[in-house]
Amino acid sequence: DTGVSQDPRHKITKRGQNVTFRCDPISEHNRLYWYRQTLGQGPEFLTYFQNEAQLEKSRLLSDRFSAERPKGSFSTLEIQRTEQGDSAMYLCASSLDGGGANEQFFGPGTRLTVL
Amino acid sequence: AQSVTQLDSQVPVFEEAPVELRCNYSSSVSVYLFWYVQYPNQGLQLLLKYLSGSTLVKGINGFEAEFNKSQTSFHLRKPSVHISDTAEYFCAVSRRGSNYKLTFGKGTLLTVNP
Repeated sequence: DTGVSQDPRHKITKRGQNVTFRCDPISEHNRLYWYRQTLGQGPEFLTYFQNEAQLEKSRLLSDRFSAERPKGSFSTLEIQRTEQGDSAMYLCASSLDGGGANEQFFGPGTRLTVL
Repeated sequence: AQSVTQLDSQVPVFEEAPVELRCNYSSSVSVYLFWYVQYPNQGLQLLLKYLSGSTLVKGINGFEAEFNKSQTSFHLRKPSVHISDTAEYFCAVSRRGSNYKLTFGKGTLLTVNP
C-alpha cells in the first residue's frame, strides 16, 4: 500500500508564475479530491473527480485554477499567474466509491509559497 | 450547506490526563461525521467516523467520540493522553448521499506536556 503521493512537497515561486502539482491516488480508488489549507484553518474543498470526470468545483477555484485527471488515474492542479494569496498547503485525497461515506485517504500535501 | 465549529483552538494537557476536544456542526440534512489528526508537515489521518448506528464510536490510538443529534455535537475524547498525541485535530462533516466532500472545522491544537 503506497498511499496517496503528491509532488512536489514544497514549491516556492514568484508572483505571476504558473505552477503545477501532481497527485497519485491509491491505485484502485476512483474518487479524487483537492483541498486547500491555509495557516490556522481547516482544509477547504476545491474540486472532485469521479474517474476522469470533474463533477464539482468550489467557488474558491477561480479561473486561474484548473484541475485534470486524464484516464482517471493521477491528477494535476495548475495555478496560473500565481498571487500571494495562493500560498497554502494543497492536499489531495482519494477514496473508493462503495455506496457509503467512503474514507478519504490524504496525501502529505504540497506547500506552495508565492513570493 | 454544512458548517463545523471547533470550540477550542488550543488545548494544553499533561501526559496521562483525560482530554475532550469539542465539535459542533450545523446542517439542514443528515450528515456523516469524522475526526482527523494532522501531525506537523503531514497529511490528515482518519481517527474515527460516525455513519449510523451506535452513537459511541471508537477509533485508532484509543480515541472515541460520541454523536449527540439533539445537541449537534461530536466530541472527541481520550481517557489518558501521551506525548505522541500532540497534533492538530480536525472535525469534519459530509452530507449523506452526496459526493462526500468534507467540510472541516478550523482545528484544535492538542499539546501534551510531560
